Amino acid sequence: AQRVTQPEKLLSVFKGAPVELKCNYSYSGSPELFWYVQYSRQRLQLLLRHISRESIKGFTADLNKGETSFHLKKPFAQEEDSAMYYCALTQYSGGGADGLTFGKGTHLIIQP
Amino acid sequence: ETGVTQSPTHLIKTRGQQVTLRCSSQSGHNTVSWYQQALGQGPQFIFQYYREEENGRGNFPPRFSGLQFPNYSSELNVNALELDDSALYLCASSVAGTPSQYFGAGTRLSVL
Repeated sequence: AQRVTQPEKLLSVFKGAPVELKCNYSYSGSPELFWYVQYSRQRLQLLLRHISRESIKGFTADLNKGETSFHLKKPFAQEEDSAMYYCALTQYSGGGADGLTFGKGTHLIIQP
Repeated sequence: ETGVTQSPTHLIKTRGQQVTLRCSSQSGHNTVSWYQQALGQGPQFIFQYYREEENGRGNFPPRFSGLQFPNYSSELNVNALELDDSALYLCASSVAGTPSQYFGAGTRLSVL
């Protein structure tokens, strides 16, 4: 069965410090990985997809198939990064018919 | 471009009752997925609708059912409500064959 694990329920870092949100997955096939973010009082929104290999709001994430990880990183945290972050996966090229499997989320707090 | 809209925003029901939640997909999207998010958890996939048919289903009992209409909007119906059905119900729309999903703000269901 597919599973996404986010080991940190809460992560607190100071403004300007590097941030790494951990995500590990188990999946028998070839997954597509995502990071979703939910800012206070806003809806869940897509932050980035591994297939795009893009940087959004300074965040990047690299898929490591050997370690089955998809950690989210940012070199210098900003206060507006404070939010709930969810790692998710679905079957690659499946068109999402299996739905997204989410982790439990990590609450990131950036302290001034 | 119109985003995903859900109604109602909040709902209170008693155990054993039935409930219908509604979702309008984002403009240009033809696929709708539903998720249940319990407090402190990540969203959990219920099912997906495409071409007015169920296209994929998560681990939810048959009392969770849905519909999709020709305009791609969708309903989630839950029969014989149980206390554990209390959660935030999220609708997400996408374009068939693409895995990126875009979420509504959700309906908060409380079962007393």
